[in-house]
Parts: sequence; C-alpha cells; structure tokens
Amino acid sequence: DSGVTQTPKHLITATGQRVTLRCSPRSGDLSVYWYQQSLDQGLQFLIQYYNGEERAKGNILERFSAQQFPDLHSELNLSSLELGDSALYFCASSIQGTPNTGELFFGEGSRLTVL
Amino acid sequence: GNSVTQMEGPVTLSEEAFLTINCTYTATGYPSLFWYVQYPGEGLQLLLKATKADDKGSNKGFEATYRKETTSFHLEKGSVQVSDSAVYFCAPLFGGSQGNLIFGKGTKLSVKP
Repeated sequence: DSGVTQTPKHLITATGQRVTLRCSPRSGDLSVYWYQQSLDQGLQFLIQYYNGEERAKGNILERFSAQQFPDLHSELNLSSLELGDSALYFCASSIQGTPNTGELFFGEGSRLTVL
Repeated sequence: GNSVTQMEGPVTLSEEAFLTINCTYTATGYPSLFWYVQYPGEGLQLLLKATKADDKGSNKGFEATYRKETTSFHLEKGSVQVSDSAVYFCAPLFGGSQGNLIFGKGTKLSVKP
C-alpha cells in the first residue's frame, strides 16, 4: 500500500460527458502528479501541483483541468470526453516540489472507459 | 530533445533465468535515472535509482548502472522468479528544477515456473 488513494477505481461513461477523478496523497506529501496510461501512448505526464499551486504541465489537453485543495487532495476534471480518453489515470505524490527527486508514490489508478 | 527508449516486450523467461531489459536515453544534461515496476492490478512503485554516472542502483536482486558513455541504464537480475512478473518502466528525470519523470513504454516480463 503506497498510501495514495484514488477514487473511483473504475468509471464508465459516455462521449461528451464530464468526470472528476479524486486523489488523496500520502500523509505529509505536498506534491501531486497526474499521469495517463494508455496502450498506445504509454505513461504520459499530465500535470503537477505543489502545495496548492500548479508547478509543471505536461501533455494535458485543454478539455482537462486539475486542482489541489488546501487539504492537499487533488481532483482531475475531464470534460467533453472522447473515446480516446479511455485510459488508466494515475495519481502520484511526493513530499518535495522542485527540484523533483523522482521518487514518486503511485495510487492504484482510476480506469476510465468512455463508450 | 530529451527522450527515453526502452526495450519492447513482452519478455518471457523461465524461473532462474537471467534478465536484461535495455534502456537508453537522449538528454542535453545528466538526468537522474529510475526504474519503476508495476505489478498486475497495482500502481507503479520505485524499484531502484541512480543519480550520477557510474552509480549502481540495486533492490530486490535487481541492478542497474548509470553509464554516461553509452547513455544507458539497463536493468538486470541474475535469477528471476515467478513473482517478478510485472511491467518495468525506465524513467529519466529531465529538466532541472522543473524536472519531471518521463517514462519509457514499459516492458512486460512474464516468468514461467
């Protein structure tokens, strides 16, 4: 158990819909990272937050947004969903912001299926 | 630009066989290097790391050496077990103070008894 909690574990929805994925980092960790894992693209970095502020952005679509709340949990919002958004979405946390040490603790992921 | 190339799988081995999974990177500097492992149905977890040239990371019988000359960080294990069946990801940390891990495509390892 990494200590990172993600909900929901599975989600099935239709094209055009909006979903919210939630992540609770390990106790004491200030940084939260979101990754998307799909068969064709592999594991893609989406976005990082540190203590409530956006710290780094990766390959995140404009239809996606995220935030980190004062209690340090984070939410990833995916809107106008397309079939290609079907993937496993991972949250990871670490105590550091920058420089990033590379030592991340991953949750078990939220599997999104868009029909 | 910065990139990572990892040996494609799947790799199927018999128990007690020797394992090598190749990983090379392209970078303007000298990134820290990591191997992560993903067991079935779980999230990724850090397996080992090396932060500078010639460093050797090791954990659970796995080893990898940071080779600056060949920009490589190959993962090895002398005798694999069925419990090592998982997907292995090579991940350099590029980008200095704004750095983030960039993961390779992953190599699926299956170990048969």
